[in-house]
Amino acid sequence: DTGVSQDPRHKITKRGQNVTFRCDPISEHNRLYWYRQTLGQGPEFLTYFQNEAQLEKSRLLSDRFSAERPKGSFSTLEIQRTEQGDSAMYLCASSFKPGSQTKNIQYFGAGTRLSVL
Amino acid sequence: AQSVAQPEDQVNVAEGNPLTVKCTYSVSGNPYLFWYVQYPNRGLQFLLKYITGDNLVKGSYGFEAEFNKSQTSFHLKKPSALVSDSALYFCAVRRRDDYKLSFGAGTTVTVRA
Repeated sequence: DTGVSQDPRHKITKRGQNVTFRCDPISEHNRLYWYRQTLGQGPEFLTYFQNEAQLEKSRLLSDRFSAERPKGSFSTLEIQRTEQGDSAMYLCASSFKPGSQTKNIQYFGAGTRLSVL
Repeated sequence: AQSVAQPEDQVNVAEGNPLTVKCTYSVSGNPYLFWYVQYPNRGLQFLLKYITGDNLVKGSYGFEAEFNKSQTSFHLKKPSALVSDSALYFCAVRRRDDYKLSFGAGTTVTVRA
C-alpha cells in the first residue's frame, strides 16, 4: 500500500475563487472520507463514500461544497466561492479492504492546507 | 450523537517516565475507539484501536490503551516515554453501525530530555 495521497498539499486562494482538492485512497479501499481540521481542533467529518456512492454528508458541508468519487477510486472536493472561514486543513481517509484485518481502520492522507485571503 | 473529551490540552513528561493521555467518550451502544498521532504538517497516523475483546489493547511504538466501559474511558499509555513521542494525540470514537469518526480536540504531548 502506498498510502492515501492528497493533492495539492497547500493552496492559497482569494476569497470568492473556486478550489478543488484531490484524494487518492489506498488501493482496494472502498470507503473514502473527507474531514476538515481547524487550528486547535480535532478533525470534523464532512462526507463519506462507499465506492462511488456518497452515503452521508455533514451539515458542515454547505451548498458551496461538493464532493465526487466518479469511478469509486479517487475523489475530489470542490469549494465554490471560497470564504475566509473555509481556511482549514482538509483531510482524506480511506478504509475497508474486504477480508482485511484492518478493515475498521481509517488511514489518513497528509491533508491539503487551504488559506483563503 | 457521539463525542469525545480529552480533558488535558497539554501533557509534559520527562523522558523515561510513564506517559498517560486521557480520553472519555459518549456514544450510543458499544463503541469502536481509536488513537491517532499527528506530527507537524502531517496527517493522522493510526496508533491503536479497541473493537472488542480484551480491554487492554497494544499498538504501535510501545503504546497501549485501556478500555473502561463503566467509566467510558479509553486512556492512552506508554510505560517509558521518548522525546520522539512529542506530538499531538487524538482520541476518536464511532458507533458500530456508522463509519464516521468523532475526534477529541487533541492533547499535545511534550517529552523533555
